[in-house]
Formats: sequence, C-alpha cells, structure tokens
Amino acid sequence: QVQLQESGPGLVKPSETLSLTCGVSGFSINSGYYWGWIRQPPGKGLQWIGSIDHSGSVYYNPSLRSRATMSVDTSKNQFSLKLTSVTAADTAVLYCAREVGSGITRYFDYWGQGALVTVSS
Amino acid sequence: SYDLSQPPSVSVSPGQTASIPCSGDKLGNKYACWYQQKPGQSPVLVIYQDTKRPSGIPERFSGSISGNTATLTISGTQAMDEADYYCQAWDSSTVVFGGGTKLTVL
Repeated sequence: QVQLQESGPGLVKPSETLSLTCGVSGFSINSGYYWGWIRQPPGKGLQWIGSIDHSGSVYYNPSLRSRATMSVDTSKNQFSLKLTSVTAADTAVLYCAREVGSGITRYFDYWGQGALVTVSS
Repeated sequence: SYDLSQPPSVSVSPGQTASIPCSGDKLGNKYACWYQQKPGQSPVLVIYQDTKRPSGIPERFSGSISGNTATLTISGTQAMDEADYYCQAWDSSTVVFGGGTKLTVL
C-alpha cells in the first residue's frame, strides 16, 4: 500500500520560505512516476504547485514557478518543496501525491493526509 | 492559461442521479479525471481517463465525455456521497483543476 506523509513547520513568517517534505512508503520513488504537490487554501479549491520524478525532472505551475523549487532524495524515498517569499495568501493545506500517467493523461492516485501551513507573524 | 469550469453547487435527492459537469476548451481531446473530497479529508480519485473507475470505487460512480464537457454521474446517490467534487485535466505540461462542485444530498 502506497503511503505519503507530509512534514514540516506549520507556521511560517511572511517573506520567509515555506519548506515541506513528503515521505513515501510502500513504493520506491526510483520505480517511476511523477510526485506532486497540491495546495488548498482554507475553504477554497485545489491548486497544483508542481511535480517531480526520480531523476529530478520537474515542472511547475506557471503562476508559482518563480517562487517554487522541488527536489527529490531517492536515498530517503522522499521529495521536497520550497516556496519563497510567502504571504498570507499562501496559507493552505498542502498535499503531496503520486502522479500517474503519461502524454495527455495525468492524475493523482495516492495522496498524503495534508499539512496545514499558516503564514503569519 | 487553461481553465476548467464547474458549477459551484449541485443538489440531489437520495436515490436519484446526480450529474456534475466540467467544461474546458477542447477537453474532448484531453483526458479528465474526478476527485471526491469530504470535509477534513484528502481528495480521493473516483474517475480517471474520462470513464475509468479505480478499484474500490462503487459502481454508482461513472464518467463520460461529450464535446468539451466531461460529466461525473452518481447513480442512486447516497448520503455518504455528499462532498466536494473536482475535475482535473492536463494541458501544456500543466495540471489543471476545476473550481469544484459541492454536492448536497437533500
């Protein structure tokens, strides 16, 4: 059974950097697929942030590309997200998920439980 | 940027059929999928590649595509199906979510 678990600070100050890690169990990141980050502001919808594969190939939401950086650590079977220069608008529940598919079909079949990150001084 | 449009809310009576549309430019040339999200929980994939149902998802959930509109249909809707539903597609190396539809089972 594939399981994902987000970890990181739940509170970040404005203008600082949000950092989260997603640990994967039950499946080796080296085995393939992309691995994504999705966020959900309180009471709002889902927004994709970006996805990365085991080799470090990454693609981002154009609206967040300038502030987001994703990385992967296959030795620890985990991947990470950094989002710089955060504001209150970045307060959200962040999910990590496994992205399946290729070509024109992509979807997320396994999700973490989500981590609330609040941006506040 | 690519947009997917969903109605904010849909209501249905228990036992009836609920239909949730998702429209986007040339969506028929892409693949849509659907997620169910209950309050305080992570999204769950209920339909992928327009019409396929993952293992463990009840048969009352089905998907279809016609023109530029994908539709999630729930037959014999149950109270437990009350949730937010999101469509999602992939366009120009970007994952796009619809705004979500709140399904109320009255």
